[in-house]
Amino acid sequence: GAVVSQHPSWVICKSGTSVKIECRSLDFQATTMFWYRQFPKQSLMLMATSNEGSKATYEQGVEKDKFLINHASLTLSTLTVTSAHPEDSSFYICSAVERGVSYEQYFGPGTRLTVT
Amino acid sequence: GENVEQHPSTLSVQEGDSAVIKCTYSDSASNYFPWYKQELGKRPQLIIDIRSNVGEKKDQRIAVTLNKTAKHFSLHITETQPEDSAVYFCAATPYGQNFVFGPGTRLSVLP
Repeated sequence: GAVVSQHPSWVICKSGTSVKIECRSLDFQATTMFWYRQFPKQSLMLMATSNEGSKATYEQGVEKDKFLINHASLTLSTLTVTSAHPEDSSFYICSAVERGVSYEQYFGPGTRLTVT
Repeated sequence: GENVEQHPSTLSVQEGDSAVIKCTYSDSASNYFPWYKQELGKRPQLIIDIRSNVGEKKDQRIAVTLNKTAKHFSLHITETQPEDSAVYFCAATPYGQNFVFGPGTRLSVLP
């Protein structure tokens, strides 16, 4: 159980375009989802916390108008990178938590974004 | 906010030896401390976790100890095997919110 999928697994886009990444909890209701960014050989950096039915909470330094997060249902959260630039190229990973069950977060497989 | 430090950044051990990775945290409100193993290009995998009401937890070759007073926790891997080679991250969170990760430790187990 506790499977999280993420789509796409990789994407290449041109500078100035937008990219949408989907994160789904397949067999549980994710009341909270987290979005992380990981640059090569670095740690995971929390970008934002997404609670179903409410606005996402962004970490300091993360532009909410650039990284649009929508958590429309208990099984789906999306991250849209708007007007992407080469410096946005990174590994984006989502995770989901089933509130009231445990603190454990279940990670998606990640999306590698390359902006040319 | 929370700050998590992790040492060492790299660690090489001979197969069969033990490996210890240490983390410190700053926020006394943190009460959940997971450890993750991440292989290149893959998602982090939870290997063990501990809550603040417990001082030690063990799962086969892996153990975690927590010292709340000193605000540090450690991962212990015994009888290391080549497949243990990966990057390990500690993390701290208050009640499953705002996970903060350590910078990671690259463990190499030499055959």
